[in-house]
Amino acid sequence: NAGVTQTPKFQVLKTGQSMTLQCAQDMNHNSMYWYRQDPGMGLRLIYYSASEGTTDKGEVPNGYNVSRLNKREFSLRLESAAPSQTSVYFCASSENSPLHFGNGTRLTVT
Amino acid sequence: RKEVEQDPGPFNVPEGATVAFNCTYSNSASQSFFWYRQDCRKEPKLLMSVYSSGNEDGRFTAQLNRASQYISLLIRDSKLSDSATYLCVVNGVSGGYNKLIFGAGTRLAVHP
Repeated sequence: NAGVTQTPKFQVLKTGQSMTLQCAQDMNHNSMYWYRQDPGMGLRLIYYSASEGTTDKGEVPNGYNVSRLNKREFSLRLESAAPSQTSVYFCASSENSPLHFGNGTRLTVT
Repeated sequence: RKEVEQDPGPFNVPEGATVAFNCTYSNSASQSFFWYRQDCRKEPKLLMSVYSSGNEDGRFTAQLNRASQYISLLIRDSKLSDSATYLCVVNGVSGGYNKLIFGAGTRLAVHP
């Protein structure tokens, strides 16, 4: 069972570059989430998708966009990366249960 | 004031010790409470839910004090493998996992 799979694991971007973080889950969960984790702070919700075809802003959505491509996949896009977006990004899914997280993507923006 | 506050630690304890962490939350209407464990450079994983009456899972005991708005995690007979960061998680009034608020975590280091 793969659970929640994120790619890439690591990425370095220059300011202004764009990229998409991919997330897929094989647990048939309806809800999917994107969090970021910064030192000294708890995980903060960027966007979530309660079901296929819907997305909603979380606590820190500015500078990000998301796509719920189908039930399995939920991608996070940075259109113009900024150093403040240097962070560890976690995708998660749930179905009336606590969250299952992916392994994370470590992103550095220089 | 942060919505969920934890002592960042680190708590350095010898093997076999008993250690307890507290976590305070600001929203008195919060409904659900969890402890997650996060190993260094890994994803968080659910350790246990916290029920109103308190609950135990092996060496781990979780308690909820609604009057004082805190939850606690007690680890007995600490093992080296317990070394990790423990995240306190509270969900908001409207429920749903999109309303989960994570604490910054308490780091535990168990030494021989």
